[in-house]
This record gives sequence, structure tokens and C-alpha cells, in this order.
Amino acid sequence: AQTVTQSQPEMSVQEAETVTLSCTYDTSESDYYLFWYKQPPSRQMILVIRQEAYKQQNATENRFSVNFQKAAKSFSLKISDSQLGDAAMYFCAYRSAAGANSKLTFGKGITLSVRP
Amino acid sequence: DAGVTQSPTHLIKTRGQQVTLRCSPKSGHDTVSWYQQALGQGPQFIFQYYEEEERQRGNFPDRFSGHQFPNYSSELNVNALLLGDSALYLCASSAWDRGLYGYTFGSGTRLTVV
Repeated sequence: AQTVTQSQPEMSVQEAETVTLSCTYDTSESDYYLFWYKQPPSRQMILVIRQEAYKQQNATENRFSVNFQKAAKSFSLKISDSQLGDAAMYFCAYRSAAGANSKLTFGKGITLSVRP
Repeated sequence: DAGVTQSPTHLIKTRGQQVTLRCSPKSGHDTVSWYQQALGQGPQFIFQYYEEEERQRGNFPDRFSGHQFPNYSSELNVNALLLGDSALYLCASSAWDRGLYGYTFGSGTRLTVV
């Protein structure tokens, strides 16, 4: 079974600064997908960024980028130029590529606060 | 274009009762998955429905059951409620043949069991 570990329960960043959220995972599969989701107080899970395991290039979406280290099974999220609206819970998630609709396995999440 | 709609948004039930939660998927989606998110935890997969059949199931007891209707909407039923069933229940929809493009989540139903 796959597991996802987020060991930092809380992090804080100054507005306009950069912050990195950590995530490690464990799997015996070679083909899979990794995600970072944002959950604001509205409770809806919002996809921030996605990484395919077969791609060596790290994914980037505007101010959000990842550092994917497949051998180390590490998948961290970097948020640049942090904004007040980035404050939320962030979840790292794993999904097997075996099957188009395989389930998501989530970590426990990190609460990110942004100081003005 | 409506996203995923869940009802009700909040619900309070007494231990031992039964509850039904509802989910309408995003337009164009035919697959519905349910997740349970306890306070301070990440979501855990309950089950998934496609073509009105349960396709996958997580490690949840038989007290948790579901249904999918011909219009792709879905219900989650929980019998004999326990205090530990208090959680946020999230519904996520996807297109079965394009599931790898990702899920769309609803805002959830907050269930409190007293």
C-alpha cells in the first residue's frame, strides 16, 4: 500500500517571500502521479500542481513549482512571492497510474499561514 | 458550468441514526468518489461509483454504502452512526475515460454525530 507523509503540521511565511512544503511518499510502483492540493476555509480541494512520475522535469504553475526526487521519493512544493490568499491547508497526494480512476492517497496536510 | 454540488452543507445526527449525503457531479463527469476527512487529517478514500456500480472501495465498514443514479449523481449512506463518523465528507467527480486528467471536488458535507 502507498503512504504519503507530511511531517510539518504548520508553516508560516512572510508575504512576498518563498516557502517550501515537504512531502515524502512510499510506493513499490514505478508509474504514478503526485499532486499538491490546496484546501481553503471554503473546504473545497483545489488542485495546485501535478507531476507525472515518468517525467524528469519538475512541474511549474505560475508561482508554484515542485522539486520531484523520484529516487528519494520526495515531492516538495515551493511557493514563490507568497500572497495572503495562499493561506490554507496544503495536501500532498499520490495516485497510481494503474487504472484511469485509481484513488487518491493523501498526507495529513500542512497549515500554511501568510503574515502581512 | 456548475462544479460538484454536495448537500447538505452541515448535518447533526445522533449516535445510532442513519444519514444520507448527496453529490451531483460536474457536467460531463460520470464517475463519483467519496472521501472522509476527519478534523486535522487528510481525506481517506471510501468508495467510487461508475455506471451505477461500486468500482473501488477503501478500508471502511459495511455501514458505509452508496448508490449512483442514471444521471450520475450519487448518495453516501452511513448506518448506525458512531461518534467517530464525525467528519467532512468530500465528493469528487471525474470522467471515467479521462480520469487521469484529475478529479473535481465539492465543498463537502460536515457531519457531526452527538
